[in-house]
Amino acid sequence: GAVVSQHPSRVICKSGTSVKIECRSLDFQATTMFWYRQFPKQSLMLMATSNEGSKATYEQGVEKDKFLINHASLTLSTLTVTSAHPEDSSFYICSARDPGTGDGYTFGSGTRLTVV
Amino acid sequence: GENVEQHPSTLSVQEGDSAVIKCTYSDSASNYFPWYKQELGKRPQLIIDIRSNVGEKKDQRIAVTLNKTAKHFSLHITETQPEDSAVYFCAASPSGGSNYKLTFGKGTLLTVNP
Repeated sequence: GAVVSQHPSRVICKSGTSVKIECRSLDFQATTMFWYRQFPKQSLMLMATSNEGSKATYEQGVEKDKFLINHASLTLSTLTVTSAHPEDSSFYICSARDPGTGDGYTFGSGTRLTVV
Repeated sequence: GENVEQHPSTLSVQEGDSAVIKCTYSDSASNYFPWYKQELGKRPQLIIDIRSNVGEKKDQRIAVTLNKTAKHFSLHITETQPEDSAVYFCAASPSGGSNYKLTFGKGTLLTVNP
């Protein structure tokens, strides 16, 4: 089935620095990828929809200047958390769907971000 | 936008019993309803899904029912096993197409006691 690869799996960074998270569709082309954030014991909250070759669509309340999304190719989307603060510590996870298989949305393995 | 409500938030059952989790949605345009199982620290895994042209779907011990008129759908797990313990999320999407986003319920922590 469709496979989505996400890196890194864990990252610890200092407050004020930036962190980039990559999400790749390995065996299909994804014109659209979705970025979610999940706090402990909570649901997945959609942050933004990443569109290949165009600007991302951000959900209400998500700062587009803080969470930079780039979807430069049909297989790669990146999320950069800029000027990270401890409250940005969370589990970030991407997803995409292979329209050619009829499968449900496939998730990356997630990135545990800890800002110290 | 879409709003998905999920109940209960926690569910504890004895091994071998059945477990039922219910969800309601608000957007009548939604027509794709997947269920995900998420173990601690891991990615959500699709366990079953249903589309609005089907009322029920079954896969071994797992079944999903959909009542489009009432805008609710349910997950049924029979003969539960300890390895079924996890958080389960329902979700809804206006289409199965790749460009339509999923809206998730808040999740149900299922604990299966040996």
